[in-house]
Amino acid sequence: DVVMTQSPLSLPVTLGQPASISCRSSQSLVYSDGNTYLNWFQQRPGQSPRRLIYKVSNRDSGVPDRFSGSGSGTDFTLKISRVEAEDVGIYYCMQGTHWPLYTFGQGTKLEIK
Amino acid sequence: QVQLVESGGGLVKPGGSLRLSCAASGFIFSDYYMSWIRQSPGKGLEWVSVISRGSSYTLYADSVKGRFTISRDDAKNSLYLQMNNLRGDDTAVYYCVRGSREPDPWGQGTLVTVSS
Repeated sequence: DVVMTQSPLSLPVTLGQPASISCRSSQSLVYSDGNTYLNWFQQRPGQSPRRLIYKVSNRDSGVPDRFSGSGSGTDFTLKISRVEAEDVGIYYCMQGTHWPLYTFGQGTKLEIK
Repeated sequence: QVQLVESGGGLVKPGGSLRLSCAASGFIFSDYYMSWIRQSPGKGLEWVSVISRGSSYTLYADSVKGRFTISRDDAKNSLYLQMNNLRGDDTAVYYCVRGSREPDPWGQGTLVTVSS
């Protein structure tokens, strides 16, 4: 299985400050169709996961533009330009390239300092 | 709007069975792969199973292979997960999810607790 490793696992951030989460995969996530299926999800307390980013850098509808995704191959990053209170939660990366089953990172818990 | 509503979770003894259901609305169900993903405190998020359009193929995590069966009824816009021979480590919230490579959206989840 492809292992997804996130860092840090805990991320205390001051309101209005930037935040960055790293996600590394044990294999390249470039698929045979040329796409890189790397997703980012946000899970707010008590809620289901919500997709924020797909194919590395494509923001989902309704996701604030302070969220951005970047990276290639095996190294990926989710950035929040200015953290707001509503951003508290756990963030997961997930690879959708390698079958038999796709895999998630361990999660990064973002809290307000 | 797209909506996925799971049901069927509950408390079951080890070795028991449960059938989860997911009612889909707001999109053409038959056009999409569908998946079950679970979340437990000890293991985080884990893919359980995926079913293709038209049910032509299904895939399972090694941890559930031979015990769980995914199915769909496109006429009823519904996804199912038959879970047999349940074990303690199957305890989790089970989410119905549209798609596979880029799962979105997720249902609200249904809690399965396996305990004597």
